[in-house]
Amino acid sequence: EVQLVESGGGLVKPGGSLRLSCAASGFTFSNAWMSWVRQAPGKGLEWVGRIKSKTDGGTTDYAAPVKGRFTISRDDSKNTLYLQMNSLKTEDTAVYYCTTVSWVAGGAFDIWGQGTMVTVSS
Amino acid sequence: QSVLTQPPSVSGAPGQRVTISCTGSSSNIGAGYDVHWYQQLPGTAPKLLIYGNSNRPSGVPDRFSGSKSGTSASLAITGLQAEDEADYYCQSYDSSLSGWGVFGTGTKVTVL
Repeated sequence: EVQLVESGGGLVKPGGSLRLSCAASGFTFSNAWMSWVRQAPGKGLEWVGRIKSKTDGGTTDYAAPVKGRFTISRDDSKNTLYLQMNSLKTEDTAVYYCTTVSWVAGGAFDIWGQGTMVTVSS
Repeated sequence: QSVLTQPPSVSGAPGQRVTISCTGSSSNIGAGYDVHWYQQLPGTAPKLLIYGNSNRPSGVPDRFSGSKSGTSASLAITGLQAEDEADYYCQSYDSSLSGWGVFGTGTKVTVL
């Protein structure tokens, strides 16, 4: 079964750091481009960033609100995606989803995890 | 903040047809990037509904259809059913400083 399982969410103070993980199974993770998408409470979806597969260069791209503070990385030996979040702000409070980017589906986000909640509050 | 604009809400009676618009610009939809649509049922993760402007993944009913023209795209739901009550988001890509992936503002579909 194709599955993504996020973990690592929790409560953190403004200015703090947190690392989210996303464990992948049921597909060839090393070949996949991956993205993080977040959703603030009661709000819409917001794309956070993306990492290409290593064979495609492994480069990353980020949304303007998180650029310079968040870092996406991957460990293909562990089938795991990471999101390192530094200098957290209250506006980063959200459910964070990891997704696959399917080029068979024209670059759509076709597999989603269940999400992990991050709360930034003093 | 989103560069893709959707109506906040649409509603219809069971069996009716509703459409949701997604308006972008020359740096995203108008630049030729594909549009994808997602359905988010209450309390759940989003699910891919339409990809590549008008294609349905396996298992998505043919009541859902998508189209794209110029700087806009649309999602149509025909034969509206109670289980279609959800939030719907369009998504594309943007060549401007706003970033690689962009979502629409989201539309709440209510079945009357």
